[in-house]
Amino acid sequence: EIVLTQSPATLSLSPGERATLSCRASQSVSSHLVWYQQKPGQSPRLLIYDASNRATGIPARFSGTGSGTDFTLTISSLEPEDFALYYCQHRTNWPPALTFGGGTKVEIK
Amino acid sequence: EVQLVESGGGLVQPGGSLRLSCEASGFTFNYYSMNWVRQAPGKGLEWVSYISSSSSTVFYADSVRGRFIISRDNAKNSLYLQMHSLRAEDTAVYYCARDEGWNNDHNYGLDVWGQGTTVAVSS
Repeated sequence: EIVLTQSPATLSLSPGERATLSCRASQSVSSHLVWYQQKPGQSPRLLIYDASNRATGIPARFSGTGSGTDFTLTISSLEPEDFALYYCQHRTNWPPALTFGGGTKVEIK
Repeated sequence: EVQLVESGGGLVQPGGSLRLSCEASGFTFNYYSMNWVRQAPGKGLEWVSYISSSSSTVFYADSVRGRFIISRDNAKNSLYLQMHSLRAEDTAVYYCARDEGWNNDHNYGLDVWGQGTTVAVSS
C-alpha cells in the first residue's frame, strides 16, 4: 500500500507570499498524483491532476511539479481565498482504491 | 449546472444501518464511475468505495468492506451507500464524487463533489 506524506502540516504565510507544499509517496507513483483544495465548510475541489496539469478553472498561480516519489504544489502569490487545506491523492491502477495524504493547512500569518 | 446532492445522513446508534443517496444532475451520469469519500470531524479525507459506470466493478476500503454496499441506479441518476453495523469511527461527513478516470498513463482525479451529508454514530 502506498502512503502519501504531506509536509508541513501547517504553513503560516501572508497574502502575496509564495507557498510551497510537499507530498511524498512511499514508493514511486510516476506522475499519477492529484491535488485538491478544501476550504472550511466546503467540499474538496480538484486543483491539479497528473502532477502538473491544472483542472478546469484553476488560476495560473497554482502549479504542480514532481514525479516518482516527490511532488510539490506551489501557489506563486497567495490570495486571501487560498488559505485552506490541501490534499494530495494517488490511486492504484488495480484495485481502484484512492489514497489521500494527511493534508497541509495554509493559514494566514 | 453539474451537481451532486447527497442525502440520508443522520444520527444512528452503534450497530445500526443507514442508506445514503447522491443525486446527480447536469451531466450524463451513466458515463462516469463514482466514489464515496468521507471525512471524520477535524480529520482528513478517506476514500470509502468505488463503483464503475455500469456497476460491474465495485471496491471498498478495508475499513468498511463487508459492512457497506455501494450501488447505483443509472435510470434515476443516483448513487447509494448502504451502511450496516455502524461504528463510532464511521462518524463523518460523507461525500459522493465523480471519477474523471485513470489508466496506466493518467490519474484525472475526482472532479465533481457533492456538499456532503453527515453521519453520526452514537448511543
